[in-house]
Amino acid sequence: GAGVSQSPSNKVTEKGKDVELRCDPISGHTALYWYRQSLGQGLEFLIYFQGNSAPDKSGLPSDRFSAERTGGSVSTLTIQRTQQEDSAVYLCASSLRVTGAGANVLTFGAGSRLTVL
Amino acid sequence: GESVGLHLPTLSVQEGDNSIINCAYSNSASDYFIWYKQESGKGPQFIIDIRSNMDKRQGQRVTVLLNKTVKHLSLQIAATQPGDSAVYFCALSTGAGNMLTFGGGTRLMVKP
Repeated sequence: GAGVSQSPSNKVTEKGKDVELRCDPISGHTALYWYRQSLGQGLEFLIYFQGNSAPDKSGLPSDRFSAERTGGSVSTLTIQRTQQEDSAVYLCASSLRVTGAGANVLTFGAGSRLTVL
Repeated sequence: GESVGLHLPTLSVQEGDNSIINCAYSNSASDYFIWYKQESGKGPQFIIDIRSNMDKRQGQRVTVLLNKTVKHLSLQIAATQPGDSAVYFCALSTGAGNMLTFGGGTRLMVKP
């Protein structure tokens, strides 16, 4: 697509429920990133994909968080047994490649705002 | 670990004035620096970048200055306009895995 699309744009859930957040990157972008942004805070790196593989999962806050990417395109971030501290905006970004020309220019989606009651 | 910080959390300027947003970093191995602009309800948008082999780069109404000696990065916006009101983030990477570390953000408010 023309930009990075994320869904849902807003999600309100109850504590303990599982949620899935979806990211559809720019067509042809091999690198995909997930960040988390708490209210009034900077961006916290969660995970990135090179193709379908995730070389670095160190940013995931706990084992309740997981992500996958299939077909080198769409990615899903899953949060199991959500907690109130998971409330944040989850941002997805993609770039043409991980290294080399165009690697560092990330294009972000508008984010998915998650509220855990 | 890496830390990236901003000197001013909020900057208020008069329309037409120049704005300067500052960012300090600690990792001397950082070799790539980016400024992003985030408007309310949107994701960050790329503004301008600079590599460590440069100390200045200019774009349209924006200039990024890099001082590697004191590990300081700044974004200068000329003739600030109401549309420039947003939160500005500096980000950097050491190139490894292309992981960007973001600063805490500075909110720029432009008064008409």
